[in-house]
Amino acid sequence: EAQVTQNPRYLITVTGKKLTVTCSQNMNHEYMSWYRQDPGLGLRQIYYSMNVEVTDKGDVPEGYKVSRKEKRNFPLILESPSPNQTSLYFCASRSDRAPYEQYFGPGTRLTVT
Amino acid sequence: DAKTTQPNSMESNEEEPVHLPCNHSTISGTDYIHWYRQLPSQGPEYVIHGLTSNVNNRMASLAIAEDRKSSTLILHRATLRDAAVYYCIRFYNNNDMRFGAGTRLTVKP
Repeated sequence: EAQVTQNPRYLITVTGKKLTVTCSQNMNHEYMSWYRQDPGLGLRQIYYSMNVEVTDKGDVPEGYKVSRKEKRNFPLILESPSPNQTSLYFCASRSDRAPYEQYFGPGTRLTVT
Repeated sequence: DAKTTQPNSMESNEEEPVHLPCNHSTISGTDYIHWYRQLPSQGPEYVIHGLTSNVNNRMASLAIAEDRKSSTLILHRATLRDAAVYYCIRFYNNNDMRFGAGTRLTVKP
């Protein structure tokens, strides 16, 4: 079954404690991205990656890091989380060929206290 | 900036057709029009896409205006399970898919 998986699904942490949210896809997609979703602000793109070792900033990259060492994995790293990073995070992947249908993970709800 | 305009919310009765409009007046010739929906407590899911011609699939139909400045997602018979936020996206550079606020569809029994 084609899918994007994220872990953990829920996470409560404290300010400044480094964390990583993992993302994996089994569709051999070249393109992967991370979004955050906040009430009233919709989905905003954090980072994206067009292929292995190629990453670029989205609309809201401050406070986040990513890496793409393997095609299937695209972890999101918060080196020093702050309360304003409390949000619902989605990982997504798609092929770089038409029709570019994007698949989303189930989401990770992060709370930073 | 999603560069698409959708109504914030719409209501429909169960079993009736729903027409969800989207305005993308600054669309360029190579931009695809994608529709996604997000059910409560889930990630967005792909619904349909088009370029110039009207499109049908098992979930919905997409009607694209001749000048491509607007499109309409058509759910032929709304069910309670179709209650979701629907996003119309102008996919304009193959590297970036930007979501606006979408249309929250409420389906009444």
